[in-house]
Order: sequence, then structure tokens, then C-alpha cells
Amino acid sequence: GENVEQHPSTLSVQEGDSAVIKCTYSDSASNYFPWYKQELGKGPQLIIDIRSNVGEKKDQRIAVTLNKTAKHFSLHITETQPEDSAVYFCAAWGNYGQNFVFGPGTRLSVLP
Amino acid sequence: DGGITQSPKYLFRKEGQNVTLSCEQNLNHDAMYWYRQDPGQGLRLIYYSQIVNDFQKGDIAEGYSVSREKKESFPLTVTSAQKNPTAFYLCASSRRQGANTEAFFGQGTRLTVV
Repeated sequence: GENVEQHPSTLSVQEGDSAVIKCTYSDSASNYFPWYKQELGKGPQLIIDIRSNVGEKKDQRIAVTLNKTAKHFSLHITETQPEDSAVYFCAAWGNYGQNFVFGPGTRLSVLP
Repeated sequence: DGGITQSPKYLFRKEGQNVTLSCEQNLNHDAMYWYRQDPGQGLRLIYYSQIVNDFQKGDIAEGYSVSREKKESFPLTVTSAQKNPTAFYLCASSRRQGANTEAFFGQGTRLTVV
């Protein structure tokens, strides 16, 4: 089945700097890759996603890139702000099991 | 407002008791999912359902049960067979499959065994 790895597990950046989180997946048939932001005590919230027919997608300060050949995708946050501090999860839609497989998460801290 | 609602937000259970967590969605989604999250951990799949009256076990189904009698509802029962049930439980829903498979999460239920 699908396996998703995510790095780093924790990331601290200064306010205004960029943050990059990377994920790899194992199932070459996976075709949908969302990113979620989870604040303390709340459910994950979808922030951006990418499908396998696209290499990059941007939404204001957030972007996601996908390399299907290498089977990895990355989240890029520019001009980070303290409110970006949260846990971020990547996921892949696993066609094998017909469900989402999540990475273990990255705790991002933006220092003022 | 369209969305997915979990209740209660906090739940306390005595050892040996069964408890049921509620999950309702009005997004007209076919698929629904239950995940368990332990402190500092990722999301582990308990059960999922792609259609009414059908559901499949996820990675950690032992000690849990579900039903899917209505499209809008996917309740999760934590049985006394679950040895370590204290955790944060998340319900999600999505369109069944295909291009538009965004999953939306509820706000979670924190279950504590006392």
C-alpha cells in the first residue's frame, strides 16, 4: 500500500523567512496530494492541494510542487508570519486502498 | 453552512464502557473516514466508508465499530475491547473518488478514559 514520509518533523524559522516541508510517497498510482494545517486542539484544515497532472500550484504565500518521477512533493510558505505556526500534514490519495494516507506531520514555529 | 460536525467535543469514559462518537456532514459527500491522533503523532485510519451500508477497516480497527446507515452520518463506537482509547478522534468526508477528492475534517472529539 501507500506510504508517505515527511521531513522535517520540526521546523523553526524567523518571521519573514521561508519554510519548506518535503514529503515522499511510494505508490506511483497516487494522483492527489493535499496539505493540511492543524492548530492546537482543532481539526486539520486543507490549505492547498495538487493533482498529478500539474507540477506546481500557488495560492498567495503558499505553493506546492510535485515531482512525479521522484515521487515527492513539497510545501513552500514565503514571508512567514506567527499565525503560520501549526502542525502541517501532507497526504496522498492511495488508489490501492481508496483512502488518504497521511505523513507524520511537521511542527512549524515562526519566531517573531 | 455546509460542513462536518463532530460531537461531543470532549468525552470521558469509564474503563469497560462503550462510547459512541457522532459525525454528521451536509456536504453530500459519499465517503467518510475516522482517524485517531495521539499526542505529537500523525493521523491513523480506523475505518472508512465509500458508500452507504458499506465500510472497510483501516490500519487500527481493532476495538472500534462503525455503521453507515445514512449518507450524512458515520458514528464511531469505541468498545471496551480498545485497550488504550484515550486520544483525539477526527472524522472526515470527501467525494467518493476521482479528481475532486478534497477531504474536509471535523473539529474532533477528545476522548479520555477515567
